Amino acid sequence: NAGVTQTPKFRVLKTGQSMTLLCAQDMNHEYMYWYRQDPGMGLRLIHYSVGEGTTAKGEVPDGYNVSRLKKQNFLLGLESAAPSQTSVYFCASRPFGEAGSEDQPQHFGDGTRLSIL
Amino acid sequence: AQKITQTQPGMFVQEKEAVTLDCTYDTSDPSYGLFWYKQPSSGEMIFLIYQGSYDQQNATEGRYSLNFQKARKSANLVISASQLGDSAMYFCAMRETNSGGSNYKLTFGKGTLLTVNP
Repeated sequence: NAGVTQTPKFRVLKTGQSMTLLCAQDMNHEYMYWYRQDPGMGLRLIHYSVGEGTTAKGEVPDGYNVSRLKKQNFLLGLESAAPSQTSVYFCASRPFGEAGSEDQPQHFGDGTRLSIL
Repeated sequence: AQKITQTQPGMFVQEKEAVTLDCTYDTSDPSYGLFWYKQPSSGEMIFLIYQGSYDQQNATEGRYSLNFQKARKSANLVISASQLGDSAMYFCAMRETNSGGSNYKLTFGKGTLLTVNP
């Protein structure tokens, strides 16, 4: 029962390098989200997707790109990493909410700790 | 203005006692949802409890209950009979309908670090 799986769990990058974080969910959820968590800031939404082939910007999208080519996968890319992107990244998913039960909780992965030197 | 405010950066409670973690929110949307998540030191985010804006009764889940005061725009989490394993960061989050339609985005507070003392 994997749920939401994030790859990798840890990564150290040098400024200017690029990388892709992978999020995979096996619950057939429609909605997927990428957050970053910084000390004292809570979780802030980077990008999200309401279905396969769709993406949208969240609260802090600059410096990141995303793709959702398959329903179960949501990729977060850093084209040119900057020290300000050092953070813990969380992916989450949730199912479509039927009428009367719109508010389903988001299910989170275990996070990716990313350090950029 | 912050949409979700958690005014207690840190809280301490004795084992077996009850504790209340505060959360106030700001929205003009008549339909919204409030969630609480727990983040232990291992880092994962665990869903605890949910309250809908139209729910007449306060939500309860085992030792967790939500003290929902709509007029005051507060949704405090109450943990009864605290256990050592309750030591964690707790986040309050809100879903608003007018945050872009049916995308069910959540806005999180900054969290409260709860420490349960033996």
